[in-house]
This record gives sequence, C-alpha cells and structure tokens, in this order.
Amino acid sequence: EPEVTQTPSHQVTQMGQEVILRCVPISNHLYFYWYRQILGQKVEFLVSFYNNEISEKSEIFDDQFSVERPDGSNFTLKIRSTKLEDSAMYFCASEGQGRGYTFGSGTRLTVV
Amino acid sequence: DQQVKQNSPSLSVQEGRISILNCDYTNSMFDYFLWYKKYPAEGPTFLISISSIKDKNEDGRFTVFLNKSAKHLSLHIVPSQPGDSAVYFCAATGLTGANNLFFGTGTRLTVIP
Repeated sequence: EPEVTQTPSHQVTQMGQEVILRCVPISNHLYFYWYRQILGQKVEFLVSFYNNEISEKSEIFDDQFSVERPDGSNFTLKIRSTKLEDSAMYFCASEGQGRGYTFGSGTRLTVV
Repeated sequence: DQQVKQNSPSLSVQEGRISILNCDYTNSMFDYFLWYKKYPAEGPTFLISISSIKDKNEDGRFTVFLNKSAKHLSLHIVPSQPGDSAVYFCAATGLTGANNLFFGTGTRLTVIP
C-alpha cells in the first residue's frame, strides 16, 4: 500500500525560528495538501498544490507560510518565523485519481 | 463558519452492537463525503465515501447513509469491535473547483469489550 511519509515525526523549535516540515507524497499523485490540527481542535486546511503552484490556500496560510516541491519528490511546508500558536500536528496529504486523500502520519510541531 | 458539523464529541458502544456516527453539513455545493478514522499520533485514514448521487454505500461492517434534503450523513458500524475505538472525522468536498476537504470536529468512538 503506497504511503505518504512525513519527517520529522516531532519537531521542537524556539519561537521566531524557521522550520521546514517535509513530506514525500505518493509518487504518481498530482495534488498535494497541508492540513493542521491544533490539540483538541478540528483538522484545518492550509494549502493545496497542483502543477507546481498553490491552487488554494486558507486564511491561516499567511506570509509566514510557504510550500515547495523542490525536486519532484518532496513537498515541504516552511514556517518562516514560528509563533507559539503554530504548535499543532501538521498533516500532509496527496491525491491521485478519484477523490480519496492519503494522509501522512503527521509532524507534531511544538513551539517553545 | 463550521460547514461540516459533528455534534457528538464522543460515543460509547458495547462490542457487537451498532455504532452510529452523525454528521451535518450546511453547504449545498458539497457533492462528495468521506469518513476518516484517526488513531492517536497517526494521520487520518480514509474509511469510506459517498457521492451525492447515492444515498447509501456499504463496505463490510461500514455503511454510510446520505440524506441530501436534510444535509445529513451517518456512518454505521456493525458489529462494533474494540479496534474501532478511534476518532472519526466526517469530511466534505464540492464541485467549486476547490480540492480541499472541510472536516467536522470529530467524534471519539469507544467500543467497550
């Protein structure tokens, strides 16, 4: 069964530091997404990515956030200057044909 | 604005009985609905889906029912097993060109042995 792989599983960072969360989507998938879940809250959409550009983003995805697919394999989420409220589980997902998303197991980001 | 709502944050069911998880939505443009199951420290796992052209979809112990007029869907698990204990998220997507999912807040199901 193809998987979406996320690294690291847990990242602790100082407030104001930059973090990069990495994802390897399923190889023949075309659509890529980042979601996050703040502890105890709902899963929230951040951004979708198709054909090497952002196709949609939410209000959460402000100028501090960026995404890249640098090498045709990895799909990264960068947070330039982390804030305490960025602490959450971040999930990457990819989608091929059809409408089912495959999620990675998540990166727990803790900003201290 | 919560477009997908799961009003029961938790549900406990005896093993072998039926679990019914409910979900309501407000956006009539949604045309595809999915249920995800999530264990602690793991990502959501796709469980079952239904298109708006159907009112029922069945996969083994899992059945999803869709009532478009009421903007309501439900997931039935029968018989429930202890391994089904997890958080279940309802999600919806539409024909607006947006490929993102709108998630409900989840229902924590506990199946008691």
